[in-house]
Amino acid sequence: EPEVTQTPSHQVTQMGQEVILRCVPISNHLYFYWYRQILGQKVEFLVSFYNNEISEKSEIFDDQFSVERPDGSNFTLKIRSTKLEDSAMYFCASTAGEGSAEAFFGQGTRLTVV
Amino acid sequence: ELKVEQNPLFLSMQEGKNYTIYCNYSTTSDRLYWYRQDPGKSLESLFVLLSNGAVKQEGRLMASLDTKARLSTLHITAAVHDLSATYFCAVDPTSGGGADGLTFGKGTHLIIQP
Repeated sequence: EPEVTQTPSHQVTQMGQEVILRCVPISNHLYFYWYRQILGQKVEFLVSFYNNEISEKSEIFDDQFSVERPDGSNFTLKIRSTKLEDSAMYFCASTAGEGSAEAFFGQGTRLTVV
Repeated sequence: ELKVEQNPLFLSMQEGKNYTIYCNYSTTSDRLYWYRQDPGKSLESLFVLLSNGAVKQEGRLMASLDTKARLSTLHITAAVHDLSATYFCAVDPTSGGGADGLTFGKGTHLIIQP
């Protein structure tokens, strides 16, 4: 069964460092998303991406964040200068597109900023 | 701003009992999703509800959507221990689907005791 894959599963980084979280969405999907979940809290939308550009972003997704689809398969989230409060589980998701509403989530990357 | 409220946020119940989780949302939408999350794991799609009056059932779980009341329910019948997890509802704020991110409720942490 097709699935969304994320790497790494766990990343520890020092405050102020840059991190890149990687995702491989389901191959024929058109819309890609990043969400985050701070430990014990709800899942929060960060950004959506379609046709090689950002479609929508939340107020969490500030200038420290960026997304990219560098090739035909990967979808990345970059945090330029990590803060302690960026520690969370980051989930990538993808959908096939309009008319197919179901979002499939990856296993997540646990980011720990120390 | 779209608000999604779940209740209860925490539920401890005995095996064999029935119970209902409620999800209210604050804006017009006819696209609602239920996800299950086990500790430290990703989000597993349970139900996709795309129209008023939609009802879907899978095993001991049944979900329904009333778009006029802006209410969805997740009903558990004859609970078993394996259903212990956190359950999230999520709302797509637009009717077109696709690029917009989902707004999640805070989740219902369900513990089913033998």
